[in-house]
Amino acid sequence: DAGITQSPRHKVTETGTPVTLRCHQTENHRYMYWYRQDPGHGLRLIHYSYGVKDTDKGEVSDGYSVSRSKTEDFLLTLESATSSQTSVYFCAISEFRDTPYEQYFGPGTRLTVT
Amino acid sequence: DAKTTQPTSMDCAEGRAANLPCNHSTISGNEYVYWYRQIHSQGPQYIIHGLKNNETNEMASLIITEDRKSSTLILPHATLRDTAVYYCIVSSGGSNYKLTFGKGTLLTVNP
Repeated sequence: DAGITQSPRHKVTETGTPVTLRCHQTENHRYMYWYRQDPGHGLRLIHYSYGVKDTDKGEVSDGYSVSRSKTEDFLLTLESATSSQTSVYFCAISEFRDTPYEQYFGPGTRLTVT
Repeated sequence: DAKTTQPTSMDCAEGRAANLPCNHSTISGNEYVYWYRQIHSQGPQYIIHGLKNNETNEMASLIITEDRKSSTLILPHATLRDTAVYYCIVSSGGSNYKLTFGKGTLLTVNP
């Protein structure tokens, strides 16, 4: 299994509070991604990173920010959590090659905003 | 990226081959077909990918039709642990590699 950990694995927070989720990899892969998964929507890309300090938005980036100061860590921040951000969050990593490559996913973080 | 169509659910008997179809009639020449699966509550897992030719690895085989408008993922000897949602994804890859997950097929392997 790819060396990807997510922390925390479960979190309950109140509306309006800031929340930071961490993704840590030991594979030295260049690309890192944050997805959210909700019933009826499948997985949707929030943000991704293609190198240290290089990030870009996905399809559902509103209300989220990310940072990547080291290759191994990719942080997802909810500046002011809302109930609509209750979801399961998955981090993924992949490596750049000339041919398409697979993504490896972490175990997920279940976030509940009350 | 091209859109894919998969059946919502399928059943398979344990020990038999599971054949999961996927239609991608608008696929373009540089787009690959990828298959992932997600076992309940876990992160998705990469299975296999292909462009034109059939592919096989330790997990599965991928059969792509000659016109590339459809493909089939084959699990040769399904086990109970293969019960999962299987996603067929078409993507051109590239340097900003992104995946668009649909709703997939729930494969249930029965004893």
